[in-house]
Amino acid sequence: DVKVTQSSRYLVKRTGEKVFLECVQDMDHENMFWYRQDPGLGLRLIYFSYDVKMKEKGDIPEGYSVSREKKERFSLILESASTNQTSMYLCASRGLAGGQDTQYFGPGTRLTVL
Amino acid sequence: GQQVMQIPQYQHVQEGEDFTTYCNSSTTLSNIQWYKQRPGGHPVFLIQLVKSGEVKKQKRLTFQFGEAKKNSSLHITATQTTDVGTYFCAGRDSNSGYALNFGKGTSLLVTP
Repeated sequence: DVKVTQSSRYLVKRTGEKVFLECVQDMDHENMFWYRQDPGLGLRLIYFSYDVKMKEKGDIPEGYSVSREKKERFSLILESASTNQTSMYLCASRGLAGGQDTQYFGPGTRLTVL
Repeated sequence: GQQVMQIPQYQHVQEGEDFTTYCNSSTTLSNIQWYKQRPGGHPVFLIQLVKSGEVKKQKRLTFQFGEAKKNSSLHITATQTTDVGTYFCAGRDSNSGYALNFGKGTSLLVTP
C-alpha cells in the first residue's frame, strides 16, 4: 500500500515563527503536492514538485516556500507564520492505482497560528 | 486559468434516497478524478474518467464524463449512512501536465 505520512497531525505556532511541515511518501513517486483546505474553499494548491529540486507555484504560493532535496520528501515552509495561515495542510503524491492516475493524500496537519 | 465548479455545496438526504453531485470545468479536461473525504479524514481516490462520454460504476456509485469532457457527475443510488462525507471532483486540464484543479466539494449528510 502507498503510504504518505506527514510529520504532525496537530501543530500550534505563534505569529512570526518559521514553520516546517514535512511529507514523506514511500512509493518513489516523482510528483508531490501541498494543499491547504479551508471550510467552503475546498482544496487549494500551494506548491507542487515534479521531481527532485524542481518546484512550481500553485494557486496560492504567497507566504510559503518548499524544498525537495530527496525524492521521497517534500517540505512546506511558512517563512513567517501569520494567523491567516491557520488551516489544514494536506500533502499528496501522484501515482497509479489499478492503472488510473491518482493522488494519494497524507493524513493532514492541522496548523493553528496564534 | 482553469476553474472547476461543483454543485451543490451541501446535500442532506434520508437513507435510501439518491444523491447526485455535478462538476463543470471552464476548459476541456484530459481526465477527471473523484475523491471522497470522510469527516476527520483525508481525501481518498475513487475513480478516474478519461474518455468522452465514459460511464463507470462502483456498486451504488455511477460516474459520468460528459461528451465535451468539460463536465462530470457522481450519482449514488439508495444512499447509506456510510456514504457520509465530502465528494470532490478534480480535473486535469488538457494543457497542464501535473496539477489537478479540485472543485470545492459536495458535503453529503445521510440521516437514518
